[in-house]
Amino acid sequence: SQQGEEDPQALSIQEGENATMNCSYKTSINNLQWYRQNSGRGLVHLILIRSNEREKHSGRLRVTLDTSKKSSSLLITASRAADTASYFCATVWFSGGYNKLIFGAGTRLAVHP
Amino acid sequence: EPEVTQTPSHQVTQMGQEVILRCVPISNHLYFYWYRQILGQKVEFLVSFYNNEISEKSEIFDDQFSVERPDGSNFTLKIRSTKLEDSAMYFCASSGASGGETQYFGPGTRLLVL
Repeated sequence: SQQGEEDPQALSIQEGENATMNCSYKTSINNLQWYRQNSGRGLVHLILIRSNEREKHSGRLRVTLDTSKKSSSLLITASRAADTASYFCATVWFSGGYNKLIFGAGTRLAVHP
Repeated sequence: EPEVTQTPSHQVTQMGQEVILRCVPISNHLYFYWYRQILGQKVEFLVSFYNNEISEKSEIFDDQFSVERPDGSNFTLKIRSTKLEDSAMYFCASSGASGGETQYFGPGTRLLVL
């Protein structure tokens, strides 16, 4: 299995603080993606980082990837109450022209005003 | 901005009944997927579909499940005889290309089997 596993499982912070979530996986990947899910809602794609990339930024998001350690981190800077959600990493291994996302268990982030 | 849509948003059914979950992927996308999420658990891959055929399926996707693209816009997941353990949120996703490109998810259908 190449499942991503996030830690921590839950994170509670104050508005304005930074939130860091980590993801580990087991096998080779082509890319790793981070998704956000508000309670009971759909998955929103945040950022994709390829296996040959080490860091990527998008607005207040910063993602790193260390393929030697098979790990990734998602940093949300200057968090807002609206960032409260579950965050999932998902790995992709490109095989035979098709791909599937293998999701981790997610980190539940609570940002308090 | 184009988005994936799913209907219905909620469905309640009796055990043993057939259900069809519907999805309209983004119009120029070529790859289609179904995932499910049992309450409080991980999102799990069910099946991928390309060029009018299944390209990969998971162990969950047994003979009770089928997918179809009946026309140029819809992508459906059928569960022939629902079981209690089929209760979950079902997500449809689509992508424009393979090679691990971004998959765009629909809002999901919450299925409850009684």
